[in-house]
Amino acid sequence: GAVVSQHPSRVICKSGTSVKIECRSLDFQATTMFWYRQFPKQSLMLMATSNEGSKATYEQGVEKDKFLINHASLTLSTLTVTSAHPEDSSFYICSASSTGNTIYFGEGSWLTVV
Amino acid sequence: AQTVTQSQPEMSVQEAETVTLSCTYDTSESDYYLFWYKQPPSRQMILVIRQEAYKQQNATENRFSVNFQKAAKSFSLKISDSQLGDAAMYFCAYRRDLTGTASKLTFGTGTRLQVTL
Repeated sequence: GAVVSQHPSRVICKSGTSVKIECRSLDFQATTMFWYRQFPKQSLMLMATSNEGSKATYEQGVEKDKFLINHASLTLSTLTVTSAHPEDSSFYICSASSTGNTIYFGEGSWLTVV
Repeated sequence: AQTVTQSQPEMSVQEAETVTLSCTYDTSESDYYLFWYKQPPSRQMILVIRQEAYKQQNATENRFSVNFQKAAKSFSLKISDSQLGDAAMYFCAYRRDLTGTASKLTFGTGTRLQVTL
C-alpha cells in the first residue's frame, strides 16, 4: 500500500536554531500534504495545508513565518521550525493525499527544543 | 466550521467484550466522510473504518462497525470481541467531500480505550 515517510523520527535542537522535518510519499504523487501538531494527550491540530507548487494555507493562529512549509515536488513536503523555542517541542505528523479519496499518515516526528 | 465531539475521554472494556465509542459532529455540508482512527503508543495513525455520508448502510471492518445516524449527526464505533491490541487512543474525524481535491481532516479530542483481562 501507499506509504508516507517522515524524517527524522526524533530530533533535539538548541533553542534559537532551526530544524527541518521532511514528509515523503514513497509510491504515489501527493498533490496535497497536511501538517499536524499534537501535544501530549491531545488531539491532532492542523497547522497547514500545502499543495504542490503553491503556497501553503495556514490555519488561524499558526505563525507562517515560524513554521515554514515547502511543497516543491509531488513527493516531498518540508516543515521548517525557525528559531525554535522549548514551547515548540511537540509531535509533528504529516499526511498526504493524491486523488483526494484516501489520506495517508506519516510516522510522525518528535521535536524537543532544549 | 465543522466540529467533531468525543464526549468520552476514557473507556475501559474487558477482553472479549464489546465497547462503543461515541462521536457527534456538526456540519452544514451534505457530502462528507467520517473516519475512526486508532493511535497506539507508537503514535502511528491507523485508519480503522470509514463511512461515506451518502451511504445509508453502516460500514463494517471485521470486529469494527459503526452506527451512522446522519440526521442526528452521530457516528459511534463498536468494537466487538475486544483484544488487548485494541488498547489505544481512538479519534473520530470528519472530512468534506471535495471532488478531485483532498480536504483536511477535522479530529475529535479522542477517547483512550483500555482493555483489561
